Amino acid sequence: GPKVLQIPSHQIIDMGQMVTLNCDPVSNHLYFYWYKQILGQQMEFLVNFYNGKVMEKSKLFKDQFSVERPDGSYFTLKIQPTALEDSAVYFCASSLEGGDAEQFFGPGTRLTVL
Amino acid sequence: QQQVRQSPQSLTVWEGETAILNCSYEDSTFDYFPWYHQFPGESPALLIAIRPVSNKKEDGRFTIFFNKREKKFSLHIADSQPGDSATYFCAAHSGGSNAKLTFGKGTKLSVKS
Repeated sequence: GPKVLQIPSHQIIDMGQMVTLNCDPVSNHLYFYWYKQILGQQMEFLVNFYNGKVMEKSKLFKDQFSVERPDGSYFTLKIQPTALEDSAVYFCASSLEGGDAEQFFGPGTRLTVL
Repeated sequence: QQQVRQSPQSLTVWEGETAILNCSYEDSTFDYFPWYHQFPGESPALLIAIRPVSNKKEDGRFTIFFNKREKKFSLHIADSQPGDSATYFCAAHSGGSNAKLTFGKGTKLSVKS
């Protein structure tokens, strides 16, 4: 089936540094999402993105977070600066339509902030 | 507060048995309830989903039972196979066109042969 790719699979950085997580969504999809999963907890919604704009974000989407998809390339999540509590697995997802359309997930990027 | 509670955290069944995974929610505005499964090292993938207008949805060996009044739904996996061993997440959709999913914590299912 359609696949969402995420690069890198694992990233280790020092607290205070900037990190960019990359997502290659399904090619014809128009809606993009990021979810955060802390070890042992559920995946939690961060943000959704459509037509070049953030449509909705949760309280977990701090001011240090930003998303973009320049010119149809990767859909990125940037954290600047990082904090210890940002350590988690970040899942990207995409869907063809909004609403309750099926969201296709990537395998996740494990971010470790030291 | 939007929450989806899932139980049990882990479940072991024998091959051929029916595995039952349970979820409950609080927010009445949830309007779509998918189940995802995830095999080790792979992406979560949609397994089956239901809308509140129905109280049952079947797809092969997988059945969702939905109780709108009690705000509960469950996934039944009939004739469980070792290949069904995975982590299963229930979720609930809200936000209208601004889609977002609220997930349960997951159930790690092991099917022994």
